Amino acid sequence: AQSVTQPDIHITVSEGASLELRCNYSYGATPYLFWYVQSPGQGLQLLLKYFSGDTLVQGIKGFEAEFKRSQSSFNLRKPSVHWSDAAEYFCAVAGYGQNFVFGPGTRLSVLP
Amino acid sequence: DTAVSQTPKYLVTQMGNDKSIKCEQNLGHDTMYWYKQDSKKFLKIMFSYNNKELIINETVPNRFSPKSPDKAHLNLHINSLELGDSAVYFCASSEEVPGQGLNTEAFFGQGTRLTVV
Repeated sequence: AQSVTQPDIHITVSEGASLELRCNYSYGATPYLFWYVQSPGQGLQLLLKYFSGDTLVQGIKGFEAEFKRSQSSFNLRKPSVHWSDAAEYFCAVAGYGQNFVFGPGTRLSVLP
Repeated sequence: DTAVSQTPKYLVTQMGNDKSIKCEQNLGHDTMYWYKQDSKKFLKIMFSYNNKELIINETVPNRFSPKSPDKAHLNLHINSLELGDSAVYFCASSEEVPGQGLNTEAFFGQGTRLTVV
């Protein structure tokens, strides 16, 4: 069965600093991978996705993620964080049976 | 122009009551889902429907019953509500990738915050 781990429950960065959120997955085949962001009281918004091809994918709001098969990872990065990036971030994998499995989430706080 | 809409956004009710949450998607997707997000933000799938047929039915009490009148709608009915049912419930939809057995990204509604008192 597929699973997703996000080792960091809570990360705090200063505005303007770089960011990396970690994601590891367990899946028996080539996965479809996603990063979502959830602002307080809101639904989940897709930041980016990986299906195949170039392992470095660009998303919205200046985010990017890199798929590394050897490490079963799909880490999310942003070179310069803005205060509006403070939110909950979820990594997810699409599995057989038309299911999406989500990681536990990483809460991002941004210091002014 | 909302892609996935669910109503109501907030629902406060007493223990023992029966309530429904409605969901509609206008994306033409074949697959719809209900997810439950607990107080620790953990997202867990409850049900998945594909073309009105139940695909996934996770370990959910029988008090929860999904209904899909057509592929654009997936409603969630909850009987005999309990305190532990308090959570945010998300509806989502996605499109199957032909021949892959996998789906493209899920589009989520804004969530329904259910509070049982």
